[in-house]
Amino acid sequence: DQQVKQNSPSLSVQEGRISILNCDYTNSMFDYFLWYKKYPAEGPTFLISISSIKDKNEDGRFTVFLNKSAKHLSLHIVPSQPGDSAVYFCAAGSYNTDKLIFGTGTRLQVFP
Amino acid sequence: NAGVTQTPKFQVLKTGQSMTLQCAQDMNHNSMYWYRQDPGMGLRLIYYSASEGTTDKGEVPNGYNVSRLNKREFSLRLESAAPSQTSVYFCASNGLAGAHNEQFFGPGTRLTVL
Repeated sequence: DQQVKQNSPSLSVQEGRISILNCDYTNSMFDYFLWYKKYPAEGPTFLISISSIKDKNEDGRFTVFLNKSAKHLSLHIVPSQPGDSAVYFCAAGSYNTDKLIFGTGTRLQVFP
Repeated sequence: NAGVTQTPKFQVLKTGQSMTLQCAQDMNHNSMYWYRQDPGMGLRLIYYSASEGTTDKGEVPNGYNVSRLNKREFSLRLESAAPSQTSVYFCASNGLAGAHNEQFFGPGTRLTVL
């Protein structure tokens, strides 16, 4: 049973437009959520996180929205740039464990 | 700071061979992790170590063993490699200052088992 799901394996967006990556989860006990970005042949790098008691967190061009009632979070990138082309993973965790549970990833391509 | 380093970067094994993947971090982190990444499967936790001297199973531990040699190093061993273990393996460590378990990842080891 996959607790964290990214149902869109890929997304293609024009440079300058908004990219919206989605993530759904099933466990209402998660305390926080994170987004990671991964370039080919590199390890994932942390991008942004949000506590389950918040509904929005913003860092520059990146904003994460959390809808707890829908068990859904999204990452907005505005404006999208070609360098944003990568695979994006959402992850969820709880304060009572050291583990993160990752989604399957969404490949974002930003074209000129 | 080198962050999280992994060796080797690439490895090809024959079925039944053994090998150890090495991981080291220089950030004085307590927790370390081993993941595998497969197409369409995301990152799946194999084993983790919350502190020196402790290890725990993750989601997919079968066929693997780990050793937390000291605070810096966490190795992953395949005793008898199988084609199903063909994957990209990532080591990660947990940053103490982050409230949300922000993990720092190494560059990965691409393993092929023939």
